[in-house]
Amino acid sequence: DVKVTQSSRYLVKRTGEKVFLECVQDMDHENMFWYRQDPGLGLRLIYFSYDVKMKEKGDIPEGYSVSREKKERFSLILESASTNQTSMYLCASSSYRGATGELFFGEGSRLTVL
Amino acid sequence: ILNVEQSPQSLHVQEGDSTNFTCSFPSSNFYALHWYRWETAKSPEALFVMTLNGDEKKKGRISATLNTKEGYSYLYIKGSQPEDSATYLCASPNAGGTSYGKLTFGQGTILTVHP
Repeated sequence: DVKVTQSSRYLVKRTGEKVFLECVQDMDHENMFWYRQDPGLGLRLIYFSYDVKMKEKGDIPEGYSVSREKKERFSLILESASTNQTSMYLCASSSYRGATGELFFGEGSRLTVL
Repeated sequence: ILNVEQSPQSLHVQEGDSTNFTCSFPSSNFYALHWYRWETAKSPEALFVMTLNGDEKKKGRISATLNTKEGYSYLYIKGSQPEDSATYLCASPNAGGTSYGKLTFGQGTILTVHP
């Protein structure tokens, strides 16, 4: 059973804290993605990675950074959490199949920043 | 940024009703159109990936059609059941991201099926 696992389902952090969201996939996929989901806005891409140590900004990268030191693991970092980063964060992975590669998602991490 | 739009935003139907909703996307430089279902407390799961104009795909009571010339796709659910309640998302690859499968998602349609 293929799997994308996100480290925490629910987190509560304070403004200014550094936050790490971890994602691990067991499908040997090249591509990994971080999205956030907010009501009425759909899923918005924060960052993606197409290989180890390679990363590219998505549509809303401000306030975030990422790390991909191993193929199976993709971390999202909030250097200094702010209340407008309260959201549902979804990690996904896909194989290198261009436009037709379906995404496999984790169950999401709901972050609240107080 | 590629614009992918879904309508309606939400839909309430009775068990047994058939329903449909729409995804629209720019028709120029079309590569593919993805549909995902996201049930509460679960991961989004792919339903269909469609690439050809006129394509129709089916999975059980759910089917989808694609019109790449006019830039829309319909998702149909026949005889809705309470377990069909979910958010349905469509997505299309960005023109610059096709090599990496980078998708732009619509806002989603939230379907609630009442027993």
